Amino acid sequence: QVQLAQSGTEVKKPGASVKVSCKASGYTLSSYGTHWVRQAPGQRPEWMGWINGGNGKTKYSEKFQGRVTFTSDTSANTGYMELSRLTSEDTAVYYCARDVAFNTGWYDSWGQGTLVTVSS
Amino acid sequence: EIVLTQSPGTLSLSPGERATLSCRASQSVSSNYLNWYQQRPGQAPRLLIYATSSRATGIPDRFSGSGSGTDFTLTISRLEPEDVAVYYCQQYDTSVGTFGQGTKVEIK
Repeated sequence: QVQLAQSGTEVKKPGASVKVSCKASGYTLSSYGTHWVRQAPGQRPEWMGWINGGNGKTKYSEKFQGRVTFTSDTSANTGYMELSRLTSEDTAVYYCARDVAFNTGWYDSWGQGTLVTVSS
Repeated sequence: EIVLTQSPGTLSLSPGERATLSCRASQSVSSNYLNWYQQRPGQAPRLLIYATSSRATGIPDRFSGSGSGTDFTLTISRLEPEDVAVYYCQQYDTSVGTFGQGTKVEIK
C-alpha cells in the first residue's frame, strides 16, 4: 500500500539548516507530485510548495522562496526538503504529501511528520 | 493569496447529531480546488472531501461537501465518537495552497 516514511525529529540552532527525507513505498515517486506542508504548534497547516517527481521542477511558496529546496532521488524513491537560515518561527511539524496527480492540491497520502525544533 | 475563514471555531455535539462546518474564501474558488481534511490528535491530516463534494477513498458516506464561489460546507450527518478531530478546508485554485484555521469537533 502507499506509504510515506519521513526522517526523525531534528533539533537545530538558529541560523542552521535542516534536511528532511520522505521515502515513498507502494508507488513510484516520479509518477506524482510531492507537496510539503508544515504545521506550527496549534496552528493551521501551511503549504510550502511542491516538486514534480517526473521532471524535478519545483514551485515554492513566496514565503519560503530562497530559503527552501526540494529534491528527489528517483533511485531511492525518496524526496527531500531542505530549509536554511532557521529561526524559532520555523519550529513545526513538517509533512510530505502525495498529490493524486502532480499538482491538483488533493493529497491522498501523508508522511507521519517530522518535528523540527529550532532553539538556541 | 486566498484567505479561508472557517466557522465555528469549535463545535460540541452529541453522538448522532448533525454537524455543519463552514468555510468562506476571500475570493471565488473553483469547485475543483476546494478540499476538506480531517486531523485527529497527533496525526497527519487525512483527505476527506476533494473537489468540493467528492469523497476520498474509504471515507464514510455520512461525510458530504457542498458549495460554490466563496462559500463551502462540510456536513457530518450523524456524528460518531471517532469523528472527534480538527477539520480544515484547503484551496489550491491559484496553484498556491492555503488552509483555513480549522473547526474543532467535540463530542458532548
